[in-house]
Amino acid sequence: EPEVTQTPSHQVTQMGQEVILRCVPISNHLYFYWYRQILGQKVEFLVSFYNNEISEKSEIFDDQFSVERPDGSNFTLKIRSTKLEDSAMYFCASSEWGGSITPRDTQYFGPGTRLTVL
Amino acid sequence: AQKITQTQPGMFVQEKEAVTLDCTYDTSDPSYGLFWYKQPSSGEMIFLIYQGSYDQQNATEGRYSLNFQKARKSANLVISASQLGDSAMYFCAMREGWDGTASKLTFGTGTRLQVTL
Repeated sequence: EPEVTQTPSHQVTQMGQEVILRCVPISNHLYFYWYRQILGQKVEFLVSFYNNEISEKSEIFDDQFSVERPDGSNFTLKIRSTKLEDSAMYFCASSEWGGSITPRDTQYFGPGTRLTVL
Repeated sequence: AQKITQTQPGMFVQEKEAVTLDCTYDTSDPSYGLFWYKQPSSGEMIFLIYQGSYDQQNATEGRYSLNFQKARKSANLVISASQLGDSAMYFCAMREGWDGTASKLTFGTGTRLQVTL
């Protein structure tokens, strides 16, 4: 069964360093998302991406964050200068459709990248 | 106001029994989708079941069913014949709107389910 994959599974970085989190969405999916989950808290939306541009972003997704689809398979999240409060599990998700109120809107999540900022 | 409310931080159920996890939602949009995800201790988010706002029947997927009461704005997850492997965190989520663009999921705070022998 197709699945979303994410690398690395765990990333440790120093405050102020840049990190790139990588995702390979399900191949026939057109809509891509990043979410994060601070330990013990609920899952929060960061950004959605469709047709090679950002569809929506939350207030968490400030100028320190960027997303890119550099080729036909990868979807990346870059944090330019990490802060301690960026420590969280980052989930990539993808869906076949978006905004159609059908099961094809279902977002399938990757296993996550645990980011630890020291 | 919270868009998704899960009032049960933790639940216990005996193996082979059924359990209901509560979820209420708040939206003024007539078009929305409701989702339940399972998060085991390993951390991944596993999709369980989907209910669209225009669906006339309650969704079912194997041992999972969704008790959708639109007027009450509730979308409770029912797990029948609980198994030890059902022990996990369960999140209710909602996606609003019908405009063909990528729409975010809004999650509740989750319910931790513990299945006991």
